[in-house]
Amino acid sequence: DAGVIQSPRHEVTEMGQEVTLRCKLISGHNSLFWYRQTMMRGLELLIYFNNNVPIDDSGMPEDRFSAKMPNASFSTLKIQPSEPRDSAVYFCASTYLPNTEAFFGQGTRLTVV
Amino acid sequence: RKEVEQDPGPFNVPEGATVAFNCTYSNSASQSFFWYRQDCRKEPKLLMSVYSSGNEDGRFTAQLNRASQYISLLIRDSKLSDSATYLCVVRLGDGNKLVFGAGTILRVKS
Repeated sequence: DAGVIQSPRHEVTEMGQEVTLRCKLISGHNSLFWYRQTMMRGLELLIYFNNNVPIDDSGMPEDRFSAKMPNASFSTLKIQPSEPRDSAVYFCASTYLPNTEAFFGQGTRLTVV
Repeated sequence: RKEVEQDPGPFNVPEGATVAFNCTYSNSASQSFFWYRQDCRKEPKLLMSVYSSGNEDGRFTAQLNRASQYISLLIRDSKLSDSATYLCVVRLGDGNKLVFGAGTILRVKS
């Protein structure tokens, strides 16, 4: 298996633009996490899904952020409109319940200018 | 109060030294505990799980104290390659929520 795959690896966009980050889970995994990492705040959990259902989105900063799982193997995180303070590395991770080791993708480095 | 707290460091140690990191968690219903390692500009990767009885993997020893709600990681005979950020991770019982600490930076110098 290729592991968790995220795209794009790098994204530079202008303030106000829509940004879509993509994540493909490891085959057979049924739990998906989106994290954001900055120097100031560390690794923050934004939202997670179990069996395609959002369980906890309390970490989503505001309404500009939305996440979906259209099927069991794929997820998107959308920011609309983007702002400079959204600049960070965004990671997704997947796991198979009840085994709780989470495997991370390589991350998307987002820069909003 | 943060759900998982760690001393950010950095811990600067010479090769061969023994170094210990602690981590505290706030939710007494937490069920599983882990240490992850993150290298610069890379994704976090599982280092080891932490079991109630304590566990050892080579030079690494993890301990859990449920009564005091803290987790520790001990690294013996530090190597240059141990330089990284070590993340304490807690899984909450309800729904598999995985919460990461901010990480402790370790720098091992020759």
